Amino acid sequence: DIQMTQSPSTLSASVGDRVTITCRASQSISSWLAWYQQKPGKAPKMLIYKASSLERGVPSRFSGSGSGTEFTLIISSLQPDDFATYYCQHYNSYPPTFGGGTKVEIK
Amino acid sequence: DVQLVESGGGLVQPGGSLRLSCAASGFTFSSYAMHWVRQAPGKGLEYIAFITTHGGSTNYAKSVRNRFIISRDNSKNTVYLQLGGLRPEDTAIYFCARAGETGSYYGDSWGQGTLVTVSS
Repeated sequence: DIQMTQSPSTLSASVGDRVTITCRASQSISSWLAWYQQKPGKAPKMLIYKASSLERGVPSRFSGSGSGTEFTLIISSLQPDDFATYYCQHYNSYPPTFGGGTKVEIK
Repeated sequence: DVQLVESGGGLVQPGGSLRLSCAASGFTFSSYAMHWVRQAPGKGLEYIAFITTHGGSTNYAKSVRNRFIISRDNSKNTVYLQLGGLRPEDTAIYFCARAGETGSYYGDSWGQGTLVTVSS
């Protein structure tokens, strides 16, 4: 199975900060990468697919980039609603696997 | 709006069985592949089963292969997950998710989940 590694595992930030989360794949996955946001007690919500395509309805402050094995999720100006855990997930092959998550906390 | 509602979770003894259901609405169910994904308490996410639009093809994670069975009934807009040979490590919230474009291995819409607890 392809292993996905996210960093950092926890991130403390303030409202208005620019936030960057990194995801690495153990082998090339082209652009077959999605990003999700999950809040406590809730289902994951997809933010981005195909590495950089924004899901309908997701605010434009979220952006994704990368290809091959290195990917990035950027929140350009952190909002109060953005404090959550973020997961990357490859879908190059089955089983798709997730990174370990990045918890974005209030500084 | 897309809506996915899981049901059927509960407390079951090790070695037992359970059937989960996921009722879909707000989209043409027969046009979408579907996933089951689980999350152990306080842990990360794991895709465990996938089924194509008309059930002709399925995939399973190694952790559940030969114990769990995914199926669907397009006339009822419902996808199922039959859980068998349950182990304590199968304790998790089980989510169903609609597969992304052209049956991709990601979920673009998710249900709220149903909790399965395996314990004696």
